[in-house]
Amino acid sequence: QSVLSQPPSASGTPGQRVTMSCSGSSSNIGSTFVFWYQLLPGTAPRLLIWRDDNRPSGVPDRFSGSKSGTSASLAISGLRSDDEADYYCASWDDSLSGVVFGGGTKLTVL
Amino acid sequence: EVKLEESGGDLVQAGESLRLSCAASGLTFSNYWMSWVRQAPGRGLEWVATMREDGTEKYNVDSVKGRFTISRDNTENLLFLEMNSLRADDTAVYFCARDFYGEGFFDHWGQGTLVTVSS
Repeated sequence: QSVLSQPPSASGTPGQRVTMSCSGSSSNIGSTFVFWYQLLPGTAPRLLIWRDDNRPSGVPDRFSGSKSGTSASLAISGLRSDDEADYYCASWDDSLSGVVFGGGTKLTVL
Repeated sequence: EVKLEESGGDLVQAGESLRLSCAASGLTFSNYWMSWVRQAPGRGLEWVATMREDGTEKYNVDSVKGRFTISRDNTENLLFLEMNSLRADDTAVYFCARDFYGEGFFDHWGQGTLVTVSS
């Protein structure tokens, strides 16, 4: 059972906008930053969003992050077939003194 | 270009030890927190351990406390993970990552090294 809760799956058609959620608590998302990672099979994870809503250079502006209270969301607009991947949220947890990940959301592009 | 390259993964028996290394280049290694993150087969990402730039702070997940030790050599730009008393549930791909502020901000990752623990 992951400390951060993510829905196991999400889906959309090409061009659509999809959002995925990440729910935590006051000891993690509620008091620290959220990060989002994309994981394709057989590859290293890729940072998509840092400190809640910032995109690293090279990440398209189709990807956006937001946070409210103890929950965060990742939105992908203009969905493409190569967005099909697993997406993970992460945050520092002050109570555990460590980084916690969500269980991941598997995105399927129909 | 930042490059992180892990090595040391192997097939071992339960109870045995292993030392993973991560060679860093393209960055001033001594300026950054560094971390290990793993992914077990068919499972999600799990943070394992993090160490401050100068080695004065380190943290690890409860499941490896007392068994795994993170360390670094800033003169050689190397990060290590000493793993003792390995268990079958430690089987995973282990990634080395730069943790920009030591808060889960993993902006650069290696390709990973596979550790398989046979029971």
